[in-house]
Amino acid sequence: GQQLNQSPQSMFIQEGEDVSMNCTSSSIFNTWLWYKQDPGEGPVLLIALYKAGELTSNGRLTAQFGITRKDSFLNISASIPSDVGIYFCAVARFSSNTGKLIFGQGTTLQVKP
Amino acid sequence: ETGVTQSPTHLIKTRGQQVTLRCSSQSGHNTVSWYQQALGQGPQFIFQYYREEENGRGNFPPRFSGLQFPNYSSELNVNALELDDSALYLCASSLVWTSGSTDTQYFGPGTRLTVL
Repeated sequence: GQQLNQSPQSMFIQEGEDVSMNCTSSSIFNTWLWYKQDPGEGPVLLIALYKAGELTSNGRLTAQFGITRKDSFLNISASIPSDVGIYFCAVARFSSNTGKLIFGQGTTLQVKP
Repeated sequence: ETGVTQSPTHLIKTRGQQVTLRCSSQSGHNTVSWYQQALGQGPQFIFQYYREEENGRGNFPPRFSGLQFPNYSSELNVNALELDDSALYLCASSLVWTSGSTDTQYFGPGTRLTVL
């Protein structure tokens, strides 16, 4: 069954606004990942987190791996129209980014110019 | 662009038929994982192939099977298609070193399968 809970399910924001989304689990996972999927494309890895408490940035994106290893959040600062898409969190039980990944249901982001 | 390619892009089949989907992994990668993504859902792990053998399987019936070839490319076969098999099928490639340490999974664009 579904093990990851992503929220919010969708967001509609104004260009320039900051965005925050999160992902929680009832189980402990050692690897947390954030992907973005555009229509007609496969998911693209944005940020990978391998250590509890880790805070990692990739341009305007910042993600943190919760200290309990049961949650993570993704922030996007100063959103732009090309940020539109579906954002997925994903987890793996092993301290590596391979094998079985479990994905959340996704957060759909729409940005109004 | 990740360098992972999949074919065909789209496919329409009828219930009961069989289908084969193909994936070419990124250059230098030796592991391929397959995922099923239903409309409005996140991808779900089907199985992974490493060194031409299945290396982990999700909650999918035996009519979902696969192959990995010496050049690391892979096929996903689905027999006795059902309406619920309609989905986007994604493959992801990665590199597993002999030490067991691993690299990032890179996804292809997917194959859209419609079962009528």
